[in-house]
Amino acid sequence: SQQGEEDPQALSIQEGENATMNCSYKTSINNLQWYRQNSGRGLVHLILIRSNEREKHSGRLRVTLDTSKKSSSLLITASRAADTASYFCATGTSGSRLTFGEGTQLTVNP
Amino acid sequence: DTEVTQTPKHLVMGMTNKKSLKCEQHMGHRAMYWYKQKAKKPPELMFVYSYEKLSINESVPSRFSPECPNSSLLNLHLHALQPEDSALYLCASSQVGTGGGRSEAFFGQGTRLTVV
Repeated sequence: SQQGEEDPQALSIQEGENATMNCSYKTSINNLQWYRQNSGRGLVHLILIRSNEREKHSGRLRVTLDTSKKSSSLLITASRAADTASYFCATGTSGSRLTFGEGTQLTVNP
Repeated sequence: DTEVTQTPKHLVMGMTNKKSLKCEQHMGHRAMYWYKQKAKKPPELMFVYSYEKLSINESVPSRFSPECPNSSLLNLHLHALQPEDSALYLCASSQVGTGGGRSEAFFGQGTRLTVV
């Protein structure tokens, strides 16, 4: 069964705008990760935030984690057409289990 | 080398066939995963191997049989599949989860399986 839900399911923005995606989960976690997937091929790891961290940055990406609300958000700043992809959050739990949320389809229009 | 290599890229098989999917990594990762992904859906965890031992089986039907011959290789043996098993099968590897966050996963490009 899937761990979490993401919203929105689909997001369409113009190049240069910021994109925010949210993820909620249900159980205790060791970490929360965000992945990107282009055209139904392999997933690419973007960023990992540990359960004792609240915010993390990597380039144009900013991730927040609120363990009290069991939620996370991914912000992509100054979006580009090349950012068009599906974005998934995934929770890392015991036993090397990595469980994915439903995903957000991001479309960045040039 | 941060690659996870999956073969074949595409596979069409009949419901009475036996076939195998293969996955290889040389990053020294001791956790390896099989996921199944249907179109417009998230990857669903099927199996996890930790130190070459099966640690998680998400109640997958026995027509899917995983095997981890050594720390670099992971196979998924397929037998008597159904058309609804058609999907993208993804392999991944990571450090064994320590709780300390050193467990980002690296994914292969997947095998697109069609069962006819």
